[in-house]
Amino acid sequence: DVKVTQSSRYLVKRTGEKVFLECVQDMDHENMFWYRQDPGLGLRLIYFSYDVKMKEKGDIPEGYSVSREKKERFSLILESASTNQTSMYLCASKSGIVRETQYFGPGTRLLVL
Amino acid sequence: AQKITQTQPGMFVQEKEAVTLDCTYDTSDQSYGLFWYKQPSSGEMIFLIYQGSYDEQNATEGRYSLNFQKARKSANLVISASQLGDSAMYFCAMRELSNQFYFGTGTSLTVIP
Repeated sequence: DVKVTQSSRYLVKRTGEKVFLECVQDMDHENMFWYRQDPGLGLRLIYFSYDVKMKEKGDIPEGYSVSREKKERFSLILESASTNQTSMYLCASKSGIVRETQYFGPGTRLLVL
Repeated sequence: AQKITQTQPGMFVQEKEAVTLDCTYDTSDQSYGLFWYKQPSSGEMIFLIYQGSYDEQNATEGRYSLNFQKARKSANLVISASQLGDSAMYFCAMRELSNQFYFGTGTSLTVIP
């Protein structure tokens, strides 16, 4: 069975803290994605990666960075957390097969105080 | 311009009735894919159905079908014989040639007994 795990379901951080959100997939997928989900805005792509050490900016990369040192792991980094980064963060992975869906993790609900 | 537009923030349907959730998209790519996902209150994203831009037949998966009208750039989801468990948020998404995904803002469906 396909599995995407995220390091935390809930996280509370202070403004200015460095925050790491980890995502691990066990399907040997080439592609991995980070989204944030906000009410009324749907899912917005922050960054995606199509290979180890490769990354592409999505629609809202400002304030975020990513790291993909190993194929199975894709990390989202908030260098200096701000209150407007309070959100639900969803990680997803996908194979190179065009027709296949993304598989999503359970999400991390981040609160920045 | 919005890549994916879902104009119905909320919909109600009587149990056992059919319901159509609207989705229009905007792309200049010739090759693209369209996806629908369901997100229940528990938060997980569940893949429902896929339509490729070159697929001649409308996709069907059980009670879900996708009404694909390429010239109108619409990809509406039809749920037949609604069940109480269909109450959830529904997201339309598009994958472009770049492998980037775009999501709509979602439609909240409530099935009334």
